[in-house]
Amino acid sequence: KQEVTQIPAALSVPEGENLVLNCSFTDSAIYNLQWFRQDPGKGLTSLLLIQSSQREQTSGRLNASLDKSSGRSTLYIAASQPGDSATYLCAVPTGANNLFFGTGTRLTVIP
Amino acid sequence: DAGVIQSPRHEVTEMGQEVTLRCKPISGHNSLFWYRQTMMRGLELLIYFNNNVPIDDSGMPEDRFSAKMPNASFSTLKIQPSEPRDSAVYFCASSSNRDSTNEKLFFGSGTQLSVL
Repeated sequence: KQEVTQIPAALSVPEGENLVLNCSFTDSAIYNLQWFRQDPGKGLTSLLLIQSSQREQTSGRLNASLDKSSGRSTLYIAASQPGDSATYLCAVPTGANNLFFGTGTRLTVIP
Repeated sequence: DAGVIQSPRHEVTEMGQEVTLRCKPISGHNSLFWYRQTMMRGLELLIYFNNNVPIDDSGMPEDRFSAKMPNASFSTLKIQPSEPRDSAVYFCASSSNRDSTNEKLFFGSGTQLSVL
């Protein structure tokens, strides 16, 4: 059974710092991994989707990497801003029509 | 596009009452998903529709839960009778491909349900 773990559960950093969020999964037979952002009281926003054939994806200040062999993915946020404060979740497919979500990392960027 | 629209944003009801949650997916999307989010269990898929047809409802917790998609622009999730343990945030999401796992999912803002 797939398990997706995100550590730490919460993270506070001063504005301007670069930071890394971690996602670990137990079943490496995945064909992609997605990172989402969730703001309080709102739904999820898909940030990046990495196919298993890719090692990383970049969007602006965000860079996500995927290492299937080790069961790990990281989300790198450069030059963090208070507006980056949110909960970040990773998700992996479980079958063709479902995503299994991690429990998330709650990020606070302090001005 | 206005995105995925859910209503109501908040619902407070008493145990035993019927609750109906509504969702309008993004125009042109042919896949629709209902998720439930709780602190204890995180995000769980309840049911998935493709081209208005329910494909996978294995996540629906009990017979008290039912979902319909009468047309491409509207879906409902009904709980009857509601119980306190149903309290959660219910999200609707849509995508433009049958296989949501290869396409980005677009989420609504959710319905916060509280059953007293």
